[in-house]
Amino acid sequence: GNSVTQMEGPVTLSEEAFLTINCTYTATGYPSLFWYVQYPGEGLQLLLKATKADDKGSNKGFEATYRKETTSFHLEKGSVQVSDSAVYFCALNTNAGKSTFGDGTTLTVKP
Amino acid sequence: GAVVSQHPSRVICKSGTSVKIECRSLDFQATTMFWYRQFPKQSLMLMATSNEGSKATYEQGVEKDKFLINHASLTLSTLTVTSAHPEDSSFYICSARDPDSYFADTQYFGPGTRLTVL
Repeated sequence: GNSVTQMEGPVTLSEEAFLTINCTYTATGYPSLFWYVQYPGEGLQLLLKATKADDKGSNKGFEATYRKETTSFHLEKGSVQVSDSAVYFCALNTNAGKSTFGDGTTLTVKP
Repeated sequence: GAVVSQHPSRVICKSGTSVKIECRSLDFQATTMFWYRQFPKQSLMLMATSNEGSKATYEQGVEKDKFLINHASLTLSTLTVTSAHPEDSSFYICSARDPDSYFADTQYFGPGTRLTVL
């Protein structure tokens, strides 16, 4: 079956530090890959996505590249801010439309 | 972008009562909606897939008689937790896909409903 494995958290960084949250997946076929962000007490918001190998998704300074050879979709940001503190979920979609989520990684950015 | 709303955002009820949660797609028609449950500091667990005009498809281990899902229109799906008990307390999140969108495989999530059963 499909699965998504995320880097375990929590992750604590100082403001302006470089962020990497690792994500690897197992899936049949050619899934679309997503990163979602969840702020406290809220639902999930789509952060970025990529639909095929070598695609790079980017938004709000965050980037992730769909690497088929390593089955990875690592999330990166060059300089984090306090407002980036949230839980980040890596996910994949298959043609069946269902999403498979990773366990989430909690990021705390300190001033 | 597509917007999905949920109502209510928070609900507190007594054990044994039923609670209805609404999920609406505000600016698109959603033939498929998904219901998730999220426990504190955990990932989302898919409960069921709600299809407009037909019966919902439940994931293994989810009691369909306890979690009633109705998707009567292209913009509204409801989840009713029947005879709620304290162990049903959780954060319930819905999502919807816009089949006519270029990003048809993207799910748009509602803000979630916090259910507390006393």
